[in-house]
Amino acid sequence: GDSVTQTEGLVTVTEGLPVKLNCTYQTTYLTIAFFWYVQYLNEAPQVLLRSSTDNKRTEHQGFHATLHKSSSSFHLQKSSAQLSDSALYYCALFFIASSSFSKLVFGQGTSLSVVP
Amino acid sequence: EAAVTQSPRNKVTVTGGNVTLSCRQTNSHNYMYWYRQDTGHGLRLIHYSYGAGNLQIGDVPDGYKATRTTQEDFFLLLELASPSQTSLYFCASSEGIGDTQYFGPGTRLLVL
Repeated sequence: GDSVTQTEGLVTVTEGLPVKLNCTYQTTYLTIAFFWYVQYLNEAPQVLLRSSTDNKRTEHQGFHATLHKSSSSFHLQKSSAQLSDSALYYCALFFIASSSFSKLVFGQGTSLSVVP
Repeated sequence: EAAVTQSPRNKVTVTGGNVTLSCRQTNSHNYMYWYRQDTGHGLRLIHYSYGAGNLQIGDVPDGYKATRTTQEDFFLLLELASPSQTSLYFCASSEGIGDTQYFGPGTRLLVL
């Protein structure tokens, strides 16, 4: 079936070090867009990144992600993690199955904890 | 001013109770969504709508009804609430179905 996999439920990283959150997907349909949403404690999810172009790097708020259709991945990275980056991160993909059916699929989320 | 609002923010009911969660968006968006968020499951789509009077079934619709009365207002109804429906519920809106979704602050529901 169509799915988004975030392999780590929890990632802990030391402040100032690089961080990478993994996201892979599986779908047989035409994929249109990929997203990373971030949810800070006691807040609503909000979009962090959006991409629809293969092999193009997308950046926002110090984070970046590159869609690689060859490996079905859209990993999120940051070169230097900050304490304020601690949050829950969701990867999501939007695909079109037919003229009458399209869908946004969320991964299960990765909780990022940045420690001093 | 918040573009997606939800009420109530917290709700406690008993098993078998009747609950209505409300969502209003002022983004003039066509699409509105109801999600539930549970640890280990992430965000799961319950129902969505692309306009007043329209309703589409999501991934976990059992036990839930929804109604879109206007462009702005989308309601989620639990007519016979069960403890398994204890969760954090988010409403969201988007211009098109593949566009960025904007979420409300959430409603925390506890079914005793």
